[in-house]
Amino acid sequence: AQTVTQSQPEMSVQEAETVTLSCTYDTSESDYYLFWYKQPPSRQMILVIRQEAYKQQNATENRFSVNFQKAAKSFSLKISDSQLGDAAMYFCAYRNQGAQKLVFGQGTRLTINP
Amino acid sequence: ETGVTQSPTHLIKTRGQQVTLRCSSQSGHNTVSWYQQALGQGPQFIFQYYREEENGRGNFPPRFSGLQFPNYSSELNVNALELDDSALYLCASRPGLAGGNTGELFFGEGSRLTVL
Repeated sequence: AQTVTQSQPEMSVQEAETVTLSCTYDTSESDYYLFWYKQPPSRQMILVIRQEAYKQQNATENRFSVNFQKAAKSFSLKISDSQLGDAAMYFCAYRNQGAQKLVFGQGTRLTINP
Repeated sequence: ETGVTQSPTHLIKTRGQQVTLRCSSQSGHNTVSWYQQALGQGPQFIFQYYREEENGRGNFPPRFSGLQFPNYSSELNVNALELDDSALYLCASRPGLAGGNTGELFFGEGSRLTVL
């Protein structure tokens, strides 16, 4: 069974600085998707960024980028120019190609200090 | 475009009771899945419905059951509630089955269930 591990329960960063959230996963599959979701206090999960395993190029969405290391099974999220609105729980998630379910990590609580 | 909506937002039940949670999928989405998120944990997959049939289930007992209706809305039913069922229950929808798209799920804000 696939597993996702987020080793940082909490992280904090100064506003406008850069922060990196870590995620590792375990799978024997070669085709899969990886995601970072943000869950603010409103509780709604919001997709931040997505990476297809067959793509070597790291995904980027504005201030958010990933460092995808397939051989190491690592998928970290970098947030540049942190803003107060970035404060939330961040979840790393995995899905097999053709599978129904997302497998989530335990989350990292990100605090932005003004 | 209307997003995923869930009801009720909060509810309190006692052990042994039954509960029904409701979800309206995002417009155009025919696949709905349910997740249980215990406090301080990541969501856990309960099951998925596609065109009114369950087509995937996580490691949850049979007292967790569901329905999907012709308009693609869905219900999650939990019988014989236990204290450990206290959690946030998230509904998510997507257009089509997993293999037909890149897998993005659109989540609702969840229903917070407390079992006393």
